[in-house]
Order: sequence, then structure tokens, then C-alpha cells
Amino acid sequence: NAGVTQTPKFQVLKTGQSMTLQCAQDMNHEYMSWYRQDPGMGLRLIHYSVGAGITDQGEVPNGYNVSRSTTEDFPLRLLSAAPSQTSVYFCASSRDPQRETQYFGPGTRLLVL
Amino acid sequence: AQRVTQPEKLLSVFKGAPVELKCNYSYSGSPELFWYVQYSRQRLQLLLRHISRESIKGFTADLNKGETSFHLKKPFAQEEDSAMYYCALSGAGGTSYGKLTFGQGTILTVHP
Repeated sequence: NAGVTQTPKFQVLKTGQSMTLQCAQDMNHEYMSWYRQDPGMGLRLIHYSVGAGITDQGEVPNGYNVSRSTTEDFPLRLLSAAPSQTSVYFCASSRDPQRETQYFGPGTRLLVL
Repeated sequence: AQRVTQPEKLLSVFKGAPVELKCNYSYSGSPELFWYVQYSRQRLQLLLRHISRESIKGFTADLNKGETSFHLKKPFAQEEDSAMYYCALSGAGGTSYGKLTFGQGTILTVHP
């Protein structure tokens, strides 16, 4: 099993550009989520999904969109990138987010100029 | 609202010394608590969870509901323990389901 995969590993954007961060898992997990990691802030939940067709907002959803058309994929879209979105983004999946481990992807480092 | 606080950004100890990474939480119900670790150039991974009452790599953590704490302890630190440690809380259900809240993280450095 590949586990949780993320692409790209690194991306540079200009302010106002759009892009999609890809996340996929092959563990048949219903729950998937996106976090951003910033120095001194820890990991903050952006959006999450408890199954295909179901998404909800986390702590810092503004500026990000998500969709969940399949169990395997959970892309994160930045419609108009801003410098404040410079961060490291992690995708995670879990069979039961309350009681079991969340499996994290390797992360995507995003720089918005 | 659920909140996790890790008061120490940096913690340095010498090899063989005891180590305690502090974690305090705020949650109105019965939380599920976890410690995650990120070693250099590796993915964030689960270290332990309070529901399992387990000891992983010599680390233990006890949930103290009175003090709302979930401190991580190890009696004899090793150099390979150097990493970033995150305390995390998951709500018990309802609107909190699926929302994992992380602390700010503590960077542990174990010196030889």
C-alpha cells in the first residue's frame, strides 16, 4: 500500500493564481482531512470529509475549497492564492478519526509570492 | 470550542535524563487525546493515544481530567527521540466529530 500520497511536493505561486493540491489514499478510509502547518501555530484543520460526497469546514477554511467525489481522492483547491497561504499542507486519512490514528501524507510545501 | 496548549516550543535534555512534554487541553466533554511525532524528514505519525493506555518507545502519557492535562513522559531520553511532538485532541462526537485539534508543537532535542 502506498498509504497517503500528495502532489506536488513543492510549489511556487504568484498572488492571485489558482492551483489544486492532490491527495489520495489506498486504505479505503472514509475520513480524510487537510491541515496547514505554520511555525508556532501547530497544525490547523482546513477542511475534512467523513465520506464521499460529504465535506465540512475546519478551523481555517477561508480561501480553500474541497470536494470528495471518490473515497480515494480529496483535492484541496486554492482559487486565488495569497501570501498568507504560504505554508506546508498535510493531507490525512483515518478509519475512525476519534479513536484511531490518522495517517499523514508527506506534505506539500507552498510558497505564494 | 476545543483547544490544546503545549507551553514549551523548545525542550532540551541530555541523553539518559527524564523528559516531560506538557500538554493541556480545553474541552467540555470527554476528549480522545493523542501524541503525534514528526522525526526529521519523516511523516507525522501517531506515537500513542490515551484510550490504548500503551507505552511506545518508552513513552507514556496519562490523562488527568482534573488538571485537563495529557503530559508525555519518558524516564530516560535517547538521542533518537529528538523530534517535533504534537499533542492532539479529538472531540467525542456531534459537531466535534472528525475535528482533530493540535497543539503548537514542542521540538525536543536530546543531546549526547
